[in-house]
Amino acid sequence: EVQLVESGGGLVQPGGSLRLSCAASEFSVSSNYMSWVRQAPGKGLEWVSIIYSGGSTYYADSVKGRFTISRDNLKNTLYLQMNSLRAEDTAVYYCARDLFIDSRGHGMDVWGQGTTVTVSS
Amino acid sequence: DIQMTQSPSSLSASVGDRVTITCRASQSISIYLNWYQQKPGKAPKLLIYGASSLQSGVPSRFSGSGSGTDFTLTISSLHPEDFATYYCQQSYSTPRTFGQGTKVEIK
Repeated sequence: EVQLVESGGGLVQPGGSLRLSCAASEFSVSSNYMSWVRQAPGKGLEWVSIIYSGGSTYYADSVKGRFTISRDNLKNTLYLQMNSLRAEDTAVYYCARDLFIDSRGHGMDVWGQGTTVTVSS
Repeated sequence: DIQMTQSPSSLSASVGDRVTITCRASQSISIYLNWYQQKPGKAPKLLIYGASSLQSGVPSRFSGSGSGTDFTLTISSLHPEDFATYYCQQSYSTPRTFGQGTKVEIK
């Protein structure tokens, strides 16, 4: 079954660090665009970061310089290293496959179950 | 960055109603507009990609239209399982911005 399973969330103090993992099954992380999307409590979806199949990476302005997206091709796993965490980073974090479906473009067609990050003292 | 604006933010409707949600981009995104459905405590689900293409397995009561800056999601006849929050998202460029969401509630 094609799926994504996230892990690594938890409670961290402001200024701390956390690394999220997203393990993929039945497809290759390295052959696809992969995104992280977050959702603060009671709020909407916020795109966080993307890694292209070629390795280029991009970030939302809100996390640029603090978060790093990466992947391990052998483990078929996507990561999000989060440093200098702030209270406003508190959210459920989802990883998603950003698939080139056809000529009509990309869509996030496979999502993980989400992992909760709470930044609080 | 491209800003996505949805309207309304919420709506109340009854089972069987026709529902339309709109999404406007701050600049032209051609047809690169996706729609997602999210239920409480669950991950979003892709419904429509490329403005009007139905994702595999999605019921045909869902449809999308538009190009350029103005798009719509239509549910032709609301089913009980359609009460959820709907988000548009542009895939024209990075960052992949989302609209703020439209909550469809039971009247």
